[in-house]
Amino acid sequence: DAGVTQSPTHLIKTRGQQVTLRCSPKSGHDTVSWYQQALGQGPQFIFQYYEEEERQRGNFPDRFSGHQFPNYSSELNVNALLLGDSALYLCASSLPRTETQYFGPGTRLLVL
Amino acid sequence: GEDVEQSLFLSVREGDSSVINCTYTDSSSTYLYWYKQEPGAGLQLLTYIFSNMDMKQDQRLTVLLNKKDKHLSLRIADTQTGDSAIYFCAESPNSGYALNFGKGTSLLVTP
Repeated sequence: DAGVTQSPTHLIKTRGQQVTLRCSPKSGHDTVSWYQQALGQGPQFIFQYYEEEERQRGNFPDRFSGHQFPNYSSELNVNALLLGDSALYLCASSLPRTETQYFGPGTRLLVL
Repeated sequence: GEDVEQSLFLSVREGDSSVINCTYTDSSSTYLYWYKQEPGAGLQLLTYIFSNMDMKQDQRLTVLLNKKDKHLSLRIADTQTGDSAIYFCAESPNSGYALNFGKGTSLLVTP
């Protein structure tokens, strides 16, 4: 049983560019959450998708957007990249209204 | 969001017990979690506790919750070198919704 998978594992972009990160949830899970973890910090909640809709959103600008597909996989898009967007981006999946969120290994984004 | 505070570092000797502490400010926190992160890896859920519980034990792990003081602790018995990692405390007012994390406690286990 595959866990949460994310692609790519590493990515280097320059300021002003756009990036798309991808997440496949754990088998049987239909809810996907995205978190940003800056170096030396705890993860910060970006948003959560359920039934292809954004269900909850954290304190992130509109440059951060997402999508969930019918197969429950999800994408995180970041436009107009800033140096401060450099971080580990974590995806977590869960069944709706359950306690356990399972995290993927993350995508490490470096913005130069 | 509301604050979750943790001490940054803890060093223990192999075989000793480790106690990692966490305080939170959101009185509506219903679910409290402990996650482990090893270098270069994602987060592994260790255990969680509901706010109506005082204690939960799972093998070498014991979670204590003082809801009045909004204080959560994780005790690791017989700490091993493989337990060296960063431990994150997190809270959520509703099951399955956004997790609010602390900055993490870096645990170093020395032989």
